[in-house]
Amino acid sequence: GAVVSQHPSWVICKSGTSVKIECRSLDFQATTMFWYRQFPKQSLMLMATSNEGSKATYEQGVEKDKFLINHASLTLSTLTVTSAHPEDSSFYICSARAAGRAYGYTFGSGTRLTVV
Amino acid sequence: KQEVTQIPAALSVPEGENLVLNCSFTDSAIYNLQWFRQDPGKGLTSLLLIQSSQREQTSGRLNASLDKSSGRSTLYIAASQPGDSATYLCATTQGGSEKLVFGKGTKLTVNP
Repeated sequence: GAVVSQHPSWVICKSGTSVKIECRSLDFQATTMFWYRQFPKQSLMLMATSNEGSKATYEQGVEKDKFLINHASLTLSTLTVTSAHPEDSSFYICSARAAGRAYGYTFGSGTRLTVV
Repeated sequence: KQEVTQIPAALSVPEGENLVLNCSFTDSAIYNLQWFRQDPGKGLTSLLLIQSSQREQTSGRLNASLDKSSGRSTLYIAASQPGDSATYLCATTQGGSEKLVFGKGTKLTVNP
């Protein structure tokens, strides 16, 4: 089945630094990947849609300069949280879907970001 | 704008009981509906995917139904086990896009 690998699974960083999270589709190509954010006891909120070879599409209220997304290949999308602040601490999850709507979405294992 | 609601927010049952989780959505123009399981601090595991043209899907002890006209889906879990304890999320598409909209989930606890 479709597998999405996400790294790191957790990261602690200091305020003001940047953190990069990787999302890879291991056994399929994904022209589109999605990045979500999940606060404690809340559901997933879509942050942006990552499009291979073009700019990401951000949801309303998400700062594109703070959450940089790069989708340079059909199997890799990265999310960089720039100049991180404690309020950016959250659980970030990526997802991708194999071609054709007959397939559902596969999610990565998530990244727990803590900014201190 | 699609809105997804899940009821109940939490459910605690004894082992062996059959149970039903409910999901409702406001916009019936969906491509599909997907049920996920999330363990604490983990990512999402896909359980069942129902295409908009389908009425139900089954996998082992799980059965999911879809009624587009009424904007409802149910996840039926037969003979629940302690290992089924997790948060169950329902998600469907928004309008004509591929974006998934999630409910807030039902936290299930199955007691031995």
